[in-house]
Amino acid sequence: GAGVSQTPSNKVTEKGKYVELRCDPISGHTALYWYRQSLGQGPEFLIYFQGTGAADDSGLPNDRFFAVRPEGSVSTLKIQRTERGDSAVYLCASSLTQGHQETQYFGPGTRLLVL
Amino acid sequence: KQEVTQIPAALSVPEGENLVLNCSFTDSAIYNLQWFRQDPGKGLTSLLLIQSSQREQTSGRLNASLDKSSGRSTLYIAASQPGDSATYLCAVRGSARQLTFGSGTQLTVLP
Repeated sequence: GAGVSQTPSNKVTEKGKYVELRCDPISGHTALYWYRQSLGQGPEFLIYFQGTGAADDSGLPNDRFFAVRPEGSVSTLKIQRTERGDSAVYLCASSLTQGHQETQYFGPGTRLLVL
Repeated sequence: KQEVTQIPAALSVPEGENLVLNCSFTDSAIYNLQWFRQDPGKGLTSLLLIQSSQREQTSGRLNASLDKSSGRSTLYIAASQPGDSATYLCAVRGSARQLTFGSGTQLTVLP
């Protein structure tokens, strides 16, 4: 079946603009994660959804970042008043809730460049 | 706060060599540890997952070990091939669901 997909694959925007990044998880996966990866670094956790609710948003850097998953499937990460420091690859992952054996399946990411 | 460190940051080897990638973590209270592969411009592919109660996992030419008490894991790649060239990431999961990643080791296998 299809894996995790993310759109757009690349996004260039200007400082101060608003952007939305979309994630389509694997069908039937109840858990969805957003991570951010800066150049030369490993991914850093942003937010985790179980179903429709944000179970843990402790990784969101500030209130300019917000994410939703209204129907428990597709998720959108929203960034307001973008800053140059927001430039990174934004990765989405999904998983079945399988306790300690959980494997997260990652999408290809959205490369965001803020000019 | 959990911190994950990977050494070396980059490694270049001739084809056919066996190699070891290292990962260390500061908080031993983990549920599991995973090794991922990341190719340029692509997402992460899970290679091996080791539960906290396990010592090692094997898949083909890959073998991952875990010493939870000392906060260390190694990924052993046997008979390396140019197709193994990628960035290898180590990640741990604690009581929270999210993964904490190292910065990765960029591996180049020369033909």
